Amino acid sequence: GAVVSQHPSRVICKSGTSVKIECRSLDFQATTMFWYRQFPKQSLMLMATSNEGSKATYEQGVEKDKFLINHASLTLSTLTVTSAHPEDSSFYICSATNQKAGETQYFGPGTRLLVL
Amino acid sequence: AQKITQTQPGMFVQEKEAVTLDCTYDTSDQSYGLFWYKQPSSGEMIFLIYQGSYDEQNATEGRYSLNFQKARKSANLVISASQLGDSAMYFCAMREASYGNNRLAFGKGNQVVVIP
Repeated sequence: GAVVSQHPSRVICKSGTSVKIECRSLDFQATTMFWYRQFPKQSLMLMATSNEGSKATYEQGVEKDKFLINHASLTLSTLTVTSAHPEDSSFYICSATNQKAGETQYFGPGTRLLVL
Repeated sequence: AQKITQTQPGMFVQEKEAVTLDCTYDTSDQSYGLFWYKQPSSGEMIFLIYQGSYDEQNATEGRYSLNFQKARKSANLVISASQLGDSAMYFCAMREASYGNNRLAFGKGNQVVVIP
């Protein structure tokens, strides 16, 4: 399967700071990347869809000014959690679509964010 | 309405035995795709198997097979010859053309613990 990396794997930050998470497709070009959030023992919640070269499409209830998404190239999308607060602590996971593989979403390993 | 339903409680499976994970879905689309992902405790989402709505045969990938019953709108995952490394959460997901942009709707997951 296709390989997607995510960095950092875990981050601890102080309340009020911003945190940037990178998602890279390593061996394919991803025209579309997705950002999810997952709370413990729950399913994945789609936050936004990121298309290369255009603005991200956010799901209902997700603040676009709080969760800034940039998809500047076919292999990189970034999620910036701005002015993070303890309630933003969660597991953030990205996925990318490899169109050659029939549009299966391949996931990164995730980022655990803890805001103190 | 929930698009993907996974209602089984946590399951204990004896090593080397088979296990079936239930998944039912709700869609009015004619064209859709069904996916199963595995999420071990490390958090990564591992793609296991895909079934297209027009596929006439049940999908198989190694020890994984998908029991696709279109009329009943079910897409159960069968894991044969369970191994200790199969202990994980398993998520069923659906992609609908009407949902747009290759987005996936995930079920709540099934917890599987394989015991020696």
